[in-house]
Amino acid sequence: EAQVTQNPRYLITVTGKKLTVTCSQNMNHEYMSWYRQDPGLGLRQIYYSMNVEVTDKGDVPEGYKVSRKEKRNFPLILESPSPNQTSLYFCASRNRPQTGAAGNEQFFGPGTRLTVL
Amino acid sequence: DQQVKQNSPSLSVQEGRISILNCDYTNSMFDYFLWYKKYPAEGPTFLISISSIKDKNEDGRFTVFLNKSAKHLSLHIVPSQPGDSAVYFCAASGWDSNYQLIWGAGTKLIIKP
Repeated sequence: EAQVTQNPRYLITVTGKKLTVTCSQNMNHEYMSWYRQDPGLGLRQIYYSMNVEVTDKGDVPEGYKVSRKEKRNFPLILESPSPNQTSLYFCASRNRPQTGAAGNEQFFGPGTRLTVL
Repeated sequence: DQQVKQNSPSLSVQEGRISILNCDYTNSMFDYFLWYKKYPAEGPTFLISISSIKDKNEDGRFTVFLNKSAKHLSLHIVPSQPGDSAVYFCAASGWDSNYQLIWGAGTKLIIKP
């Protein structure tokens, strides 16, 4: 089954304790992204990756790190989490986008609910 | 500066009637638009899309209309069903943003029995 998986699904942690949220896709997609969803703000992109070893900042990258050592995995790292990073996080993947074409469709993971106390 | 706006945070529609969700954008370089549906505790799922070379795309009960001159798109759901109750996100992409999807804030659709 084609899917994007994230782990953990739920996490409660304390300020300053480093954590990693894993993301894996089995569709051989080149593009992967991390988003956070907050009430009234919709989905905001944190980081994205267009290929292995190629990552770029999205709209809200502060406080986050990512790596793309393999095509299928794109972990999100919070080196020193703070309460303002309490949010719902989504990983997504898709094929290389093409002008006005269906390759722009993204597939999302089920989400990770993070609470930082 | 929000490039994609969904001005209605929520919408309530009677079952069987038409639901119309609206989305406005500011970037004329966007050439592809998508609608996603999200249930609680799940990731968004792709619903329907439209290329800028078209003004309408239909898939079953779902139709998306694009008005490029007004920089406006809408999603029509006919007839609305209880299972359509969800949050709907509009997204857009274009070459000038590396085809990264730019998202609206979402509209919560509630279908009343």
